[in-house]
Amino acid sequence: NAGVTQTPKFQVLKTGQSMTLQCAQDMNHEYMSWYRQDPGMGLRLIHYSVGAGITDQGEVPNGYNVSRSTTEDFPLRLLSAAPSQTSVYFCASSPRRGDYYEQYFGPGTRLTVT
Amino acid sequence: GQQVMQIPQYQHVQEGEDFTTYCNSSTTLSNIQWYKQRPGGHPVFLIQLVKSGEVKKQKRLTFQFGEAKKNSSLHITATQTTDVGTYFCAGPSGSRLTFGEGTQLTVNP
Repeated sequence: NAGVTQTPKFQVLKTGQSMTLQCAQDMNHEYMSWYRQDPGMGLRLIHYSVGAGITDQGEVPNGYNVSRSTTEDFPLRLLSAAPSQTSVYFCASSPRRGDYYEQYFGPGTRLTVT
Repeated sequence: GQQVMQIPQYQHVQEGEDFTTYCNSSTTLSNIQWYKQRPGGHPVFLIQLVKSGEVKKQKRLTFQFGEAKKNSSLHITATQTTDVGTYFCAGPSGSRLTFGEGTQLTVNP
């Protein structure tokens, strides 16, 4: 199993551009989530999904959209990039409920918005 | 929503010294998880504690869950340079997990 994969690993965007961060898992996990990590602020939840077709907002959802059309994939869309979205983005999955089961993290995408 | 507070934010130790990080919640937690993130890497699950007063050990790492299930600690005995990284605790908030801000550990050889 590849586990949780994320693409791209690095990305530079100009303010106002849009893009999609890809996340896929091959463990048949129901729960998937997106976090952003900024220095000194830990991991903040952006959006999460408890199963295909179901998504919900986390702590910092503004400026981001998600969809979950399949169990495997959970892309994160930046609608109009802003410098404040410069961060490291991690996708994670767990077998079922996100509050109780071990989270498996992807390698991350390092995004810079200029 | 549920928050878990973690202290200290940074800890510098000499190799061989002990290290402890603490995690506190204002409400009772059904469980608490600990993760380690190496510099430049991604968080990796270490352990989950579920029972009141639970203590679990992994080699030099000792994890404790408080009797009231509102706090937890991670203690590393005789740190090594391989222990360098950021340690996060995480507690449930509804159907999701909320992470503490982490403790960044540096170890001087």
